[in-house]
Amino acid sequence: DAGVIQSPRHEVTEMGQEVTLRCKPISGHDYLFWYRQTMMRGLELLIYFNNNVPIDDSGMPEDRFSAKMPNASFSTLKIQPSEPRDSAVYFCASSLTGEQPQHFGDGTRLSIL
Amino acid sequence: SQQGEEDPQALSIQEGENATMNCSYKTSINNLQWYRQNSGRGLVHLILIRSNEREKHSGRLRVTLDTSKKSSSLLITASRAADTASYFCATDRYTDKLIFGTGTRLQVFP
Repeated sequence: DAGVIQSPRHEVTEMGQEVTLRCKPISGHDYLFWYRQTMMRGLELLIYFNNNVPIDDSGMPEDRFSAKMPNASFSTLKIQPSEPRDSAVYFCASSLTGEQPQHFGDGTRLSIL
Repeated sequence: SQQGEEDPQALSIQEGENATMNCSYKTSINNLQWYRQNSGRGLVHLILIRSNEREKHSGRLRVTLDTSKKSSSLLITASRAADTASYFCATDRYTDKLIFGTGTRLQVFP
């Protein structure tokens, strides 16, 4: 039974480059969440989708961040242009309903030089 | 903004001992959940307790919830080295969003 799959696991890139993070949620889960984890700010919710529709993007830090969910089995988080302060671990999680426990992927460790 | 604050921030114990972590939150909640995060991995759900429940058990885990004090505790009994991880509480305020606390780093020495 596959869990949430994120790719890449690690990404190192230079400031100004476009970064695309990918997520495949658990099949049948209607909710998908994107989080960012840093030592300073802990785990922050960036955006979440219900049935592929963005419901709340109030956590997206700036216009440089965008997220899409073109279908039930795929979502992307894009940063363009990237900055060193975007360095963090980005997690994707999915759940059956909004109340149900969330299942997390193993994250993408992003380093912007 | 973080809803929950865990304490202690870090805890070191010997195998076989019990570990207790506390979580305090600021506003009324619907559910409270506890998650574990091993180093370099994603969070794993441990247990969910609803606002109308006071205590819940799952294996070696015992969770209590005191809504009057806006606090919860997670007790791990007879700890093992494999329990070494960070533990987070997360609350929802009758929405689909979870707000995570700051976490407790637990180290269990063999």
